[in-house]
Amino acid sequence: DAKTTQPPSMDCAEGRAANLPCNHSTISGNEYVYWYRQIHSQGPQYIIHGLKNNETNEMASLIITEDRKSSTLILPHATLRDTAVYYCIESGGSNYKLTFGKGTLLTVNP
Amino acid sequence: DAMVIQNPRYQVTQFGKPVTLSCSQTLNHNVMYWYQQKSSQAPKLLFHYYDKDFNNEADTPDNFQSRRPNTSFCFLDIRSPGLGDAAMYLCATGSRDIYNGYTFGSGTRLTVV
Repeated sequence: DAKTTQPPSMDCAEGRAANLPCNHSTISGNEYVYWYRQIHSQGPQYIIHGLKNNETNEMASLIITEDRKSSTLILPHATLRDTAVYYCIESGGSNYKLTFGKGTLLTVNP
Repeated sequence: DAMVIQNPRYQVTQFGKPVTLSCSQTLNHNVMYWYQQKSSQAPKLLFHYYDKDFNNEADTPDNFQSRRPNTSFCFLDIRSPGLGDAAMYLCATGSRDIYNGYTFGSGTRLTVV
């Protein structure tokens, strides 16, 4: 079963930052936090992952709390095409399976 | 570009008629996964291969089987599809050696008539 918890839905205005939270309070020391998103009828798309340091790439930033029990995915300037279901997943170490929770449906509004 | 390819994109099969979905990868990843995703639900892991070792999830029905003849290819066989097996089937790959994420194919949408 998935071990992460996320709000079921969020709204964001186009052009504003979208901040998506995730709780992973049982994450083990060698597990990474992965973020994926799934646009309707497509395969999940990798966004970013991190272990304990904050990470940034061309798509997003990932902020991981010092105790690693939660993280926030930041889309700095959300567009309508960012409307999707966003999944936060723990994986790594001896756990190399991606087990999906219910995710957060992010709706970006004009 | 290195990628994961699933064929076909859409598959229609008759109730009870065996069907095979295919997945190929050019990433040389040692792990390949099959997921089932029903409408408005999250992807559910069916099984995965770690190299040639097959790992079944405890709640995957016996109706679902898989083959991995080599590193690049993996197949999902549904022996007797029922109406409840209509879903999107997703293939993904990953590497134990490089934590660079897992790559998904575009999926095959299976319709059972």
